[in-house]
Amino acid sequence: EIVMTQSPATLSVSPGERATLSCRASQSVSSELAWYQQKPGQGPRLLIYRASTRATGIPARFSGSGSGTEFTLTIGSLQSEDFAVYYCQQYNNWPRTFGQGTKVEIK
Amino acid sequence: EVQLLESGGGLIQPGESLRLSCAASGFTFSSYAMSWVRQAPGKGLEWVSSITGSGDGTYHIDSVKGRFSISRDNSKNTLYLQVNSLTAEDTAVYYCAKSYTQATYYFDYWGQGTLVTVSS
Repeated sequence: EIVMTQSPATLSVSPGERATLSCRASQSVSSELAWYQQKPGQGPRLLIYRASTRATGIPARFSGSGSGTEFTLTIGSLQSEDFAVYYCQQYNNWPRTFGQGTKVEIK
Repeated sequence: EVQLLESGGGLIQPGESLRLSCAASGFTFSSYAMSWVRQAPGKGLEWVSSITGSGDGTYHIDSVKGRFSISRDNSKNTLYLQVNSLTAEDTAVYYCAKSYTQATYYFDYWGQGTLVTVSS
């Protein structure tokens, strides 16, 4: 099983600032990495797939990078609606696995 | 508009069974793989099971193999998860999720989830 490790667990950021979230895979997943946003009481929302491709309707302030075992989600100029929990997920191997999440909170 | 509506959750005793359902609309259901992902209270996401668009291929996480069974009825645009021999560790919100394409297992649409609580 590929273990996905996200850091930090919690990120405190002021509105308008940039947030950088990390995701590390225990072995290479190539570029088969997705990022999701989840708000309380809601199902997750797909942000990024194939490590760096934004999903339909996702604002350009969300960007993804990386390949192999190291990945980054960057949120430029945080808006109030961006405060949420973010998960990475690999889809290169079975079982599909998620990171434990990074909570982005208001500083 | 894509919609996924889960149902069938509830309070259940250890060792009992449930069948979860997910009614899909707004897309050609049979053209997409579908999955169940769960989230224990206050915890992260855990992929549970997936099924191909035709239903001829299924995948399960090891911890549920032999207890859970995923299936679909393409004539009814409905996804199912039969969950047997439930334990407290199965307590979670169960989400139905649509794959982005036929053969990729990341998820572009999710339902609101159905809560399964296993407790005596």
